[in-house]
Amino acid sequence: SQQGEEDPQALSIQEGENATMNCSYKTSINNLQWYRQNSGRGLVHLILIRSNEREKHSGRLRVTLDTSKKSSSLLITASRAADTASYFCGFGTGNQFYFGTGTSLTVIP
Amino acid sequence: NAGVTQTPKFQVLKTGQSMTLQCAQDMNHNSMYWYRQDPGMGLRLIYYSASEGTTDKGEVPNGYNVSRLNKREFSLRLESAAPSQTSVYFCASSSRTSGRRETQYFGPGTRLLVL
Repeated sequence: SQQGEEDPQALSIQEGENATMNCSYKTSINNLQWYRQNSGRGLVHLILIRSNEREKHSGRLRVTLDTSKKSSSLLITASRAADTASYFCGFGTGNQFYFGTGTSLTVIP
Repeated sequence: NAGVTQTPKFQVLKTGQSMTLQCAQDMNHNSMYWYRQDPGMGLRLIYYSASEGTTDKGEVPNGYNVSRLNKREFSLRLESAAPSQTSVYFCASSSRTSGRRETQYFGPGTRLLVL
C-alpha cells in the first residue's frame, strides 16, 4: 500500500512564480525529507525537517510539517527553468523508509 | 569522490535469467539501500543494510536477494527474473545506522528490462 502521496501529480508554472507541492503520509515519522530527481537521474537530497520542527528554510526552499495532519509542503520561490524536475517526499518509520508518488514540476522560461 | 556508483547502467534479460546489480559507495557510510522505481509508484524499498554484515527486508523484497560484501559494496541479485521486475533500480547510502533515516545519497540507477 502507498504510504505517501503527493499532490499535485504535475505542476506547470512560469519562471519567477512560486511552486507549492504537498505530501501526505500515513505513519508516524522521525523526520521528513524532500528530494529532487532530474529526468533519467538519481534522487538528490534537498532538505530535511525533523518531527519536532514546523518550518525550515534553505535558500529558495521552504518546508512546513504538520504532524497532526500528517502532511508537509515544499515551496520553491522565484522558480527558474532549472527547477524543472520531479520532487519526492521521503520519510522513515521504524526500520522502513518510504517515498511519496512525486510531483512533476515544469518551469516555463 | 565518486559518491554512489552502480553497474550496469542498462540491462536486458529474458524471463528466468539471473543477474546481479552492483553498488559501491566511497563516503564511508554505514547504511545502504536498494529501491525500485516504477511509473506512478515513486520509489519502493527492496532491501537495506544498516551496517556491514546485516541486511533486512524492505517493502517489496520478494524475488530479490542482497549481499553486503563489505562496508563499500551492496549487491542486489535477481535469481530468476520476471517481467514484473522491469524497473529502474536505485542504490543509496546514508551515514546513520539506527531507525532514523538521515540524508540518503543516490546512485544514477540501473534500467532493467525483462522480456
